[in-house]
Amino acid sequence: QLQLQESGPGLVKPSETLSLTCTVSGGSISSSSNYWGWIRQPPGKGLEWIGNIYYSGNTYYNPSLKSRVTISVDTSNNHFSLKLSSVTAADTAVYYCARMVSSDAFDVWGQGTMVTVSS
Amino acid sequence: DIQMTQSPATLSASVGDRVTITCRASQSISSWLAWYQQKPGKAPKLLIYKASSLESGVPPRFSGDGSGTDFTLTISSLQPDDFATYSCHQYNSFPYTFGQGTKLDIK
Repeated sequence: QLQLQESGPGLVKPSETLSLTCTVSGGSISSSSNYWGWIRQPPGKGLEWIGNIYYSGNTYYNPSLKSRVTISVDTSNNHFSLKLSSVTAADTAVYYCARMVSSDAFDVWGQGTMVTVSS
Repeated sequence: DIQMTQSPATLSASVGDRVTITCRASQSISSWLAWYQQKPGKAPKLLIYKASSLESGVPPRFSGDGSGTDFTLTISSLQPDDFATYSCHQYNSFPYTFGQGTKLDIK
């Protein structure tokens, strides 16, 4: 059974870089049918797609964040990562990683990790 | 970006009721629409994909319909476990976008 688990600091200072990792277990991150995504949810608000990555390294970012986002994949360690630079309080949110099979909806999600941007 | 507008924002209903939530896209997304259920402090759970396909393990009281710009999620007979927030999601084109959510609470 495929499982995803986010990890990383829960507190980041303004102007610094938020870094999170999503570890995939119970399956291979290199499966050709899978895309891997990051989605976030500010407190009390709706979901916002951040970006997707294919195991080959092809990435797709939300233009609203594109200048600050980098998503990468590490196939040898079966995980993928998110970096968001120059963070502000507006980046405070629960960050989720998730899987898309054959570009068809996010069917498996991590439990989410709360990241607060504050000095 | 494709805007996804859900209605209503809040819906009060009773166990056994039939309820329908609507999602409208600002342009055609064919059938590339999913519905998720989310409970407080939990990750979203996929219910419906490709507008009307039921995800494995999801009870058949959940159903989805629509194509193009107008979509619905229907729960045929509400159960206590169904009180949650429901969100639609278009994955027809980048950037993927979500509706703002519909909170279904107990009347």
